[in-house]
Amino acid sequence: DGGITQSPKYLFRKEGQNVTLSCEQNLNHDAMYWYRQDPGQGLRLIYYSQIVNDFQKGDIAEGYSVSREKKESFPLTVTSAQKNPTAFYLCASDLGGYYGYTFGSGTRLTVV
Amino acid sequence: LAKTTQPISMDSYEGQEVNITCSHNNIATNDYITWYQQFPSQGPRFIIQGYKTKVTNEVASLFIPADRKSSTLSLPRVSLSDTAVYYCLVGDKAAGNKLTFGGGTRVLVKP
Repeated sequence: DGGITQSPKYLFRKEGQNVTLSCEQNLNHDAMYWYRQDPGQGLRLIYYSQIVNDFQKGDIAEGYSVSREKKESFPLTVTSAQKNPTAFYLCASDLGGYYGYTFGSGTRLTVV
Repeated sequence: LAKTTQPISMDSYEGQEVNITCSHNNIATNDYITWYQQFPSQGPRFIIQGYKTKVTNEVASLFIPADRKSSTLSLPRVSLSDTAVYYCLVGDKAAGNKLTFGGGTRVLVKP
């Protein structure tokens, strides 16, 4: 079945460490997105990519970095510059146009 | 980008119809209206999308008045499993615009 796979499901980070969240899709979608969700809040856009080797900052890109070397993959690195990284991270993709987003199951990141 | 306003929460009972209204006064000509459903610790799921009048699928109906300044998501005969957060999004993705999720509406279905 086609879909989006995020890993790991739970991730713990020590202060000052960089961590990378994986997002892989086999839907042949061109566009991919990373969102952050804090408890009881809506989703906020971190980065998005509409084609391979190109990506744009979203509303809260500071402290995060991404790459898009392959159509299927859009990893997110949470750097030590992100001062409050504890959150639920969601990856999404879409075909473009008016089609809806398909979301992964999320990664819950906790700073310990 | 069009800003949306929806109620923070709503309570209902099993078997009832739930209607959630979203206001989007500055919707643009090319904007579509899309609704998503999110369960705790899961990614949002696409429910329905429309441009004008009425759209219906196996899950919900979407009513959009002629001025398109609001829209209403209707969930018929809800069950306990419909307890979730529902998000209204407005935008023109075809133009490359990213969509913005607001706080959503928390729907609690009681037995």
